[in-house]
Amino acid sequence: AQSVTQLGSHVSVSEGALVLLRCNYSSSVPPYLFWYVQYPNQGLQLLLKYTSAATLVKGINGFEAEFKKSETSFHLTKPSAHMSDAAEYFCAVSDWGGGGSQGNLIFGKGTKLSVKP
Amino acid sequence: DVKVTQSSRYLVKRTGEKVFLECVQDMDHENMFWYRQDPGLGLRLIYFSYDVKMKEKGDIPEGYSVSREKKERFSLILESASTNQTSMYLCASSSPGQGPYGYTFGSGTRLTVV
Repeated sequence: AQSVTQLGSHVSVSEGALVLLRCNYSSSVPPYLFWYVQYPNQGLQLLLKYTSAATLVKGINGFEAEFKKSETSFHLTKPSAHMSDAAEYFCAVSDWGGGGSQGNLIFGKGTKLSVKP
Repeated sequence: DVKVTQSSRYLVKRTGEKVFLECVQDMDHENMFWYRQDPGLGLRLIYFSYDVKMKEKGDIPEGYSVSREKKERFSLILESASTNQTSMYLCASSSPGQGPYGYTFGSGTRLTVV
């Protein structure tokens, strides 16, 4: 069965510092991986997705993630944090097995990012 | 721009009331989902639907039911609201396409049961 583990429920960085949010996955099939962001009192917005093309995936707002099969990881990074990046971030894996099956997303428990001035 | 619209942003209901949470999408998506979100627990799948009049239980269906009479609308029903159903409820939709392209989420309904 597919699952994701997000290491650290809270991460705090200074403005301008590197952002690193960790996600490890478990999947019995080639994984499809996603990062979502949730701003306060809003729904989730797709940041980026890995669907077996390039291992380095670029998303919106300067975020990127690297798929590392040997480490079963899909960590999210941004070189320089901005105050507007303060939000909750969710990693997700699809249990899509290919073919005609539909697949659902399995979400991690989320990491809340705080950005200090 | 594609949209998933949840009818209420904030809702306060009394214990024992029957509660309807409505979700409408304008993308002609086949798949629709209801999640609840609680601090420290992430998103937990309540019910989902891959087609009109079709429904499947997710991980935590107890105390909930759903209705999908039209492709664009997926309703979550709390038959008899209880305080432990106080939560943020998120609706999402997707299209199977060629694979898992990810979901489009609504803005959420924050439900308080008193």
